[in-house]
Amino acid sequence: NAGVMQNPRHLVRRRGQEARLRCSPMKGHSHVYWYRQLPEEGLKFMVYLQKENIIDESGMPKERFSAEFPKEGPSILRIQQVVRGDSAAYFCASSLRTGGIWDRNTEAFFGQGTRLTVV
Amino acid sequence: DQQVKQNSPSLSVQEGRISILNCDYTNSMFDYFLWYKKYPAEGPTFLISISSIKDKNEDGRFTVFLNKSAKHLSLHIVPSQPGDSAVYFCAASLSSGTYKYIFGTGTRLKVLA
Repeated sequence: NAGVMQNPRHLVRRRGQEARLRCSPMKGHSHVYWYRQLPEEGLKFMVYLQKENIIDESGMPKERFSAEFPKEGPSILRIQQVVRGDSAAYFCASSLRTGGIWDRNTEAFFGQGTRLTVV
Repeated sequence: DQQVKQNSPSLSVQEGRISILNCDYTNSMFDYFLWYKKYPAEGPTFLISISSIKDKNEDGRFTVFLNKSAKHLSLHIVPSQPGDSAVYFCAASLSSGTYKYIFGTGTRLKVLA
């Protein structure tokens, strides 16, 4: 019973390149979330997606960042023209459902993260 | 604006003793609070939660206490074990968006054998 799978685990990009981070949710989970952890900080919510839909992107930077969760395949977080300040750990999480009441079905299971380094 | 704060970046405790990790928040509208545990190079894993209508929740060695008037919660681990050494994150969410966790900056717990 595989958990949330993220790849790559480590990604090095030069300034100006594109970074693509992939996330396969747990089996049966259709809700995917992306979080970013900057050095010495807590995780910060970026975006919530369901299949083919962005539900809440209130935490996404307005430029250069985009996310998708296609009908088939993993969720992708894409960062265009990366800058040094994008260096961080990016975590994906998934849940069985979401709703107004928190219970174990709405619990978010996190992947191991992708550590992006921009040089 | 840090809505969830963990003011102690680190804590060391002897094996067998109690570990108390603290968390303060500013938004009185938060409905749920959670504690996550994180080992190096791994993702956070859920530990225990509490609804804002309760003041205590217990699960084995882990107990979370919520003081709404003080906007404060704490995680007690007793007895502490070396395997508990990790970074502990406090998180909060609203019922209007239970997926959107607001995390604190974490407390690194070291349990000494």
